[in-house]
Amino acid sequence: AQSVSQHNHHVILSEAASLELGCNYSYGGTVNLFWYVQYPGQHLQLLLKYFSGDPLVKGIKGFEAEFIKSKFSFNLRKPSVQWSDTAEYFCAVKNNFNKFYFGSGTKLNVKP
Amino acid sequence: DVKVTQSSRYLVKRTGEKVFLECVQDMDHENMFWYRQDPGLGLRLIYFSYDVKMKEKGDIPEGYSVSREKKERFSLILESASTNQTSMYLCASSPPGQIYGYTFGSGTRLTVV
Repeated sequence: AQSVSQHNHHVILSEAASLELGCNYSYGGTVNLFWYVQYPGQHLQLLLKYFSGDPLVKGIKGFEAEFIKSKFSFNLRKPSVQWSDTAEYFCAVKNNFNKFYFGSGTKLNVKP
Repeated sequence: DVKVTQSSRYLVKRTGEKVFLECVQDMDHENMFWYRQDPGLGLRLIYFSYDVKMKEKGDIPEGYSVSREKKERFSLILESASTNQTSMYLCASSPPGQIYGYTFGSGTRLTVV
């Protein structure tokens, strides 16, 4: 069965700390990879996506993610977090049947 | 800007009631989806639709049905609400094609008492 694993369920950081959220997926075929963010009380928004080309993808608000095919990973990074980055982050994989699989989410709390 | 509108932000219903959750999108997207979001479980797909009058079961369809009579509207129906259906329900839409992500609605928090 296809699945998406997010290893960290809850991350607490101080402002200016660096962030890396792990995401691994299990699917051998062609995939497109996404990170979504859900700020408190708001709907899910697309942060960034990868579908081909440069495996290092830059998204909004200074986030980036690197697709490592050999490791089936798509980790999200940000060099210096801000209090406003407090949110829940979801990794998602879309397979070549156009079906999305979401991870269980990582709650990020940034202390001011 | 694509908008996906869910008719209710909060709903409280009694066990056994029939519940309708409505979702409308304004960008002519072919694909529409219903998910439920529960803490620690992420998003789980209930039903989806690739076209008008077309529906497919997702991963957890039991206790739910859907209706898509018009392209812009995708309704989720709880035939007889139960307490284990208390959850946040998210509607999403997307164009066809693998490269596109979803646009999500703001969600309906349903409580079944």
